[in-house]
Amino acid sequence: DAMVIQNPRYQVTQFGKPVTLSCSQTLNHNVMYWYQQKSSQAPKLLFHYYDKDFNNEADTPDNFQSRRPNTSFCFLDIRSPGLGDAAMYLCATSRGETGGGQFFGPGTRLTVL
Amino acid sequence: GQNIDQPTEMTATEGAIVQINCTYQTSGFNGLFWYQQHAGEAPTFLSYNVLDGLEEKGRFSSFLSRSKGYSYLLLKELQMKDSASYLCAFRDSGAGSYQLTFGKGTKLSVIP
Repeated sequence: DAMVIQNPRYQVTQFGKPVTLSCSQTLNHNVMYWYQQKSSQAPKLLFHYYDKDFNNEADTPDNFQSRRPNTSFCFLDIRSPGLGDAAMYLCATSRGETGGGQFFGPGTRLTVL
Repeated sequence: GQNIDQPTEMTATEGAIVQINCTYQTSGFNGLFWYQQHAGEAPTFLSYNVLDGLEEKGRFSSFLSRSKGYSYLLLKELQMKDSASYLCAFRDSGAGSYQLTFGKGTKLSVIP
């Protein structure tokens, strides 16, 4: 089945210790997104890739970086996690043309100790 | 600017019907989405409206009025498993039109 996969599902890190979250997709979608979602809040878009073009949201902290080495994979790097970065991180994909929705992975729950 | 609003919480009884409303403001509109999100899980796609009117999918229906900037999600024959957050999201027209703007979600509790 075509899908969006995120690893790990749960990640625990220490304050200031770098962490990388991964996302892969078998949908062959052009666009991959990273969202941060805290409890009872809307998903907040951090950045997205349209093919190889990287698009950063203006209010995304520099602490967050992303890589997309190929169509299928996208990584979220948090260079120095703070307590405020504890959240669910959602990866999503879409075709890129209008008319298609976004498909989400299961998310990675990040805990910062 | 862009804005999207939906109630924070709702409670309904098993077997009943519930309507979750969503209002939005945007200068260019190109589609309204509803997602279901169970606690601790990712959002899953429920429905999509781009033209005015009602779209029906089994127990779930979604309505759109573009002139009013208004949509609702109608859930019939509620089941306990429908307890979840329901996210409304719109897509803009123009550059970056594949992106979505999400509401905070409506937490629905279905009680026996």
